[in-house]
Amino acid sequence: GENVEQHPSTLSVQEGDSAVIKCTYSDSASNYFPWYKQELGKRPQLIIDIRSNVGEKKDQRIAVTLNKTAKHFSLHITETQPEDSAVYFCAASISGGYNKLIFGAGTRLAVHP
Amino acid sequence: GAVVSQHPSWVICKSGTSVKIECRSLDFQATTMFWYRQFPKQSLMLMATSNEGSKATYEQGVEKDKFLINHASLTLSTLTVTSAHPEDSSFYICSARIPGFADTQYFGPGTRLTVL
Repeated sequence: GENVEQHPSTLSVQEGDSAVIKCTYSDSASNYFPWYKQELGKRPQLIIDIRSNVGEKKDQRIAVTLNKTAKHFSLHITETQPEDSAVYFCAASISGGYNKLIFGAGTRLAVHP
Repeated sequence: GAVVSQHPSWVICKSGTSVKIECRSLDFQATTMFWYRQFPKQSLMLMATSNEGSKATYEQGVEKDKFLINHASLTLSTLTVTSAHPEDSSFYICSARIPGFADTQYFGPGTRLTVL
Protein backbone atom coordinates (compact mmCIF):
# COMPACT_ATOMS: atom_id res chain seq x y z
CA GLY A 1 0.00 0.00 0.00
CA GLU A 2 0.85 3.68 -0.12
CA ASN A 3 3.41 5.10 2.32
CA VAL A 4 4.02 8.82 2.74
CA GLU A 5 7.10 10.18 4.45
CA GLN A 6 7.30 13.80 5.57
CA HIS A 7 10.27 15.94 6.65
CA PRO A 8 11.16 17.76 8.78
CA SER A 9 9.11 16.82 11.82
CA THR A 10 9.64 20.28 13.31
CA LEU A 11 10.54 23.56 11.65
CA SER A 12 11.27 26.87 13.31
CA VAL A 13 11.57 30.07 11.27
CA GLN A 14 11.62 33.80 11.82
CA GLU A 15 8.66 35.84 10.71
CA GLY A 16 9.08 36.82 7.07
CA ASP A 17 11.30 33.85 6.20
CA SER A 18 10.24 31.01 3.91
CA ALA A 19 9.36 27.51 5.06
CA VAL A 20 9.63 24.33 3.00
CA ILE A 21 8.16 20.95 3.90
CA LYS A 22 8.91 17.88 1.82
CA CYS A 23 7.07 14.62 1.28
CA THR A 24 7.76 11.47 -0.66
CA TYR A 25 5.27 8.78 -1.62
CA SER A 26 5.73 5.18 -2.60
CA ASP A 27 2.80 4.30 -4.89
CA SER A 28 3.35 5.59 -8.42
CA ALA A 29 -0.40 5.30 -9.01
CA SER A 30 -1.08 8.13 -6.54
CA ASN A 31 -2.26 11.20 -8.38
CA TYR A 32 -3.77 13.58 -5.85
CA PHE A 33 -1.70 15.35 -3.20
CA PRO A 34 -3.38 17.68 -0.68
CA TRP A 35 -1.81 19.64 2.14
CA TYR A 36 -3.67 20.23 5.39
CA LYS A 37 -3.05 22.67 8.23
CA GLN A 38 -4.15 21.64 11.70
CA GLU A 39 -4.18 23.88 14.73
CA LEU A 40 -4.20 22.35 18.19
CA GLY A 41 -7.45 20.54 18.90
CA LYS A 42 -9.00 21.59 15.60
CA ARG A 43 -9.92 19.86 12.38
CA PRO A 44 -7.45 19.65 9.48
CA GLN A 45 -8.05 22.41 6.95
CA LEU A 46 -7.19 21.96 3.29
CA ILE A 47 -4.78 24.72 2.27
CA ILE A 48 -3.71 23.62 -1.20
CA ASP A 49 -3.72 20.53 -3.37
CA ILE A 50 -2.15 19.37 -6.61
CA ARG A 51 -2.93 16.70 -9.11
CA SER A 52 -0.39 14.66 -11.01
CA ASN A 53 -1.00 16.39 -14.33
CA VAL A 54 0.38 19.63 -12.87
CA GLY A 55 3.94 20.35 -11.71
CA GLU A 56 3.32 23.41 -9.62
CA LYS A 57 0.42 25.31 -8.10
CA LYS A 58 0.42 28.61 -6.23
CA ASP A 59 -2.09 30.39 -4.04
CA GLN A 60 -0.82 33.71 -2.67
CA ARG A 61 1.96 32.85 -0.18
CA ILE A 62 1.56 29.11 -0.55
CA ALA A 63 2.86 26.93 -3.35
CA VAL A 64 3.14 23.23 -3.95
CA THR A 65 5.50 21.49 -6.36
CA LEU A 66 5.32 17.92 -7.58
CA ASN A 67 8.02 15.73 -9.12
CA LYS A 68 6.28 12.59 -10.33
CA THR A 69 9.46 10.90 -11.47
CA ALA A 70 11.08 11.21 -8.06
CA LYS A 71 7.74 10.83 -6.24
CA HIS A 72 8.37 13.99 -4.27
CA PHE A 73 6.10 16.90 -3.49
CA SER A 74 6.79 19.97 -1.40
CA LEU A 75 4.95 22.80 0.32
CA HIS A 76 6.46 26.26 0.17
CA ILE A 77 5.26 29.08 2.41
CA THR A 78 6.75 32.51 1.76
CA GLU A 79 6.71 35.58 4.01
CA THR A 80 5.70 33.48 7.00
CA GLN A 81 3.56 35.01 9.70
CA PRO A 82 2.99 33.92 13.33
CA GLU A 83 -0.50 32.73 12.39
CA ASP A 84 1.10 30.21 10.05
CA SER A 85 2.26 28.33 13.15
CA ALA A 86 0.50 24.94 13.14
CA VAL A 87 1.02 21.32 12.18
CA TYR A 88 1.06 20.68 8.45
CA PHE A 89 0.23 17.31 6.93
CA CYS A 90 0.82 16.12 3.40
CA ALA A 91 -1.24 13.29 1.97
CA ALA A 92 -1.52 11.17 -1.14
CA SER A 93 -4.36 9.31 -2.74
CA ILE A 94 -5.41 7.60 -5.92
CA SER A 95 -8.31 9.20 -7.77
CA GLY A 96 -11.21 6.98 -8.55
CA GLY A 97 -12.51 4.35 -6.21
CA TYR A 98 -12.72 5.57 -2.63
CA ASN A 99 -9.85 8.10 -2.79
CA LYS A 100 -8.33 7.03 0.52
CA LEU A 101 -5.94 9.64 1.87
CA ILE A 102 -2.69 8.41 3.36
CA PHE A 103 -1.09 11.07 5.56
CA GLY A 104 2.48 11.93 6.31
CA ALA A 105 3.61 12.16 9.93
CA GLY A 106 3.22 15.93 10.06
CA THR A 107 5.49 18.96 10.45
CA ARG A 108 5.15 21.29 13.41
CA LEU A 109 5.91 24.77 12.10
CA ALA A 110 6.72 27.55 14.54
CA VAL A 111 7.01 31.11 13.21
CA HIS A 112 8.69 33.44 15.67
CA PRO A 113 7.96 37.18 15.61
CA GLY B 1 -17.69 25.22 1.16
CA ALA B 2 -18.80 21.79 2.30
CA VAL B 3 -19.57 21.46 6.01
CA VAL B 4 -19.09 18.33 8.06
CA SER B 5 -20.18 18.16 11.68
CA GLN B 6 -19.49 15.67 14.45
CA HIS B 7 -21.27 14.94 17.67
CA PRO B 8 -20.32 14.90 20.44
CA SER B 9 -17.24 17.11 20.42
CA TRP B 10 -15.94 15.38 23.50
CA VAL B 11 -16.99 12.44 25.64
CA ILE B 12 -15.74 10.83 28.83
CA CYS B 13 -16.83 7.30 29.59
CA LYS B 14 -16.04 4.43 31.90
CA SER B 15 -14.05 1.45 30.74
CA GLY B 16 -16.28 -1.25 29.28
CA THR B 17 -18.98 1.05 27.98
CA SER B 18 -19.79 1.81 24.36
CA VAL B 19 -19.66 5.23 22.76
CA LYS B 20 -21.33 6.37 19.54
CA ILE B 21 -19.93 9.23 17.46
CA GLU B 22 -21.95 10.82 14.67
CA CYS B 23 -20.60 12.40 11.50
CA ARG B 24 -22.92 14.45 9.33
CA SER B 25 -22.52 16.20 6.01
CA LEU B 26 -24.66 19.31 6.41
CA ASP B 27 -24.94 20.77 2.93
CA PHE B 28 -24.15 17.89 0.62
CA GLN B 29 -24.76 14.18 0.26
CA ALA B 30 -21.79 11.96 0.95
CA THR B 31 -21.79 8.44 -0.41
CA THR B 32 -18.38 7.90 1.15
CA MET B 33 -17.12 9.02 4.53
CA PHE B 34 -13.86 8.22 6.27
CA TRP B 35 -12.99 7.69 9.92
CA TYR B 36 -9.58 8.59 11.32
CA ARG B 37 -7.96 8.30 14.70
CA GLN B 38 -5.33 10.75 15.89
CA PHE B 39 -3.26 10.23 19.02
CA PRO B 40 -1.57 13.26 20.62
CA LYS B 41 1.18 14.75 18.48
CA GLN B 42 0.69 12.09 15.83
CA SER B 43 -0.73 11.93 12.34
CA LEU B 44 -4.18 10.96 11.19
CA MET B 45 -4.51 7.21 10.80
CA LEU B 46 -7.29 6.00 8.53
CA MET B 47 -9.45 3.46 10.34
CA ALA B 48 -12.14 2.70 7.81
CA THR B 49 -14.04 3.84 4.75
CA SER B 50 -17.75 4.13 5.29
CA ASN B 51 -20.03 3.53 2.32
CA GLU B 52 -23.69 4.42 2.29
CA GLY B 53 -25.83 1.33 2.16
CA SER B 54 -23.01 -1.19 2.39
CA LYS B 55 -20.44 -2.54 4.80
CA ALA B 56 -17.50 -0.41 5.80
CA THR B 57 -14.02 -1.23 4.60
CA TYR B 58 -11.55 -1.42 7.47
CA GLU B 59 -7.83 -0.77 7.31
CA GLN B 60 -5.43 -3.49 8.31
CA GLY B 61 -5.14 -3.82 12.07
CA VAL B 62 -8.46 -2.13 12.87
CA GLU B 63 -10.90 -4.43 14.66
CA LYS B 64 -14.24 -4.22 12.89
CA ASP B 65 -16.08 -5.78 15.83
CA LYS B 66 -14.73 -3.12 18.16
CA PHE B 67 -15.23 -0.12 15.89
CA LEU B 68 -18.70 -0.50 14.41
CA ILE B 69 -19.48 1.76 11.49
CA ASN B 70 -22.93 2.41 10.08
CA HIS B 71 -23.61 4.65 7.09
CA ALA B 72 -27.39 4.44 6.92
CA SER B 73 -28.04 7.62 4.96
CA LEU B 74 -26.29 9.93 2.53
CA THR B 75 -25.65 12.47 5.28
CA LEU B 76 -24.87 10.39 8.35
CA SER B 77 -22.21 7.91 9.35
CA THR B 78 -21.75 6.65 12.89
CA LEU B 79 -18.76 5.11 14.65
CA THR B 80 -19.43 3.07 17.77
CA VAL B 81 -16.50 2.21 19.98
CA THR B 82 -17.63 -0.92 21.78
CA SER B 83 -16.35 -1.97 25.20
CA ALA B 84 -14.05 1.02 25.31
CA HIS B 85 -10.77 0.84 27.19
CA PRO B 86 -8.28 3.56 28.17
CA GLU B 87 -6.10 2.76 25.16
CA ASP B 88 -9.03 3.76 22.92
CA SER B 89 -8.75 7.31 24.23
CA SER B 90 -8.00 9.43 21.19
CA PHE B 91 -9.22 12.14 18.84
CA TYR B 92 -11.61 10.64 16.29
CA ILE B 93 -12.17 12.63 13.10
CA CYS B 94 -14.43 11.91 10.16
CA SER B 95 -14.25 13.28 6.65
CA ALA B 96 -16.47 13.22 3.61
CA ARG B 97 -16.12 13.67 -0.13
CA ILE B 98 -18.51 15.52 -2.37
CA PRO B 99 -19.62 13.11 -5.10
CA GLY B 100 -18.52 14.38 -8.48
CA PHE B 101 -15.77 16.53 -6.97
CA ALA B 102 -13.64 13.46 -6.82
CA ASP B 103 -10.76 14.14 -4.54
CA THR B 104 -11.29 16.81 -1.92
CA GLN B 105 -12.09 15.59 1.57
CA TYR B 106 -13.72 17.84 4.15
CA PHE B 107 -13.10 17.08 7.79
CA GLY B 108 -15.38 17.22 10.77
CA PRO B 109 -14.27 19.03 13.95
CA GLY B 110 -13.34 15.79 15.69
CA THR B 111 -14.47 14.02 18.86
CA ARG B 112 -12.14 13.68 21.81
CA LEU B 113 -12.80 10.39 23.59
CA THR B 114 -11.44 9.82 27.08
CA VAL B 115 -11.95 6.39 28.62
CA LEU B 116 -11.43 6.21 32.35
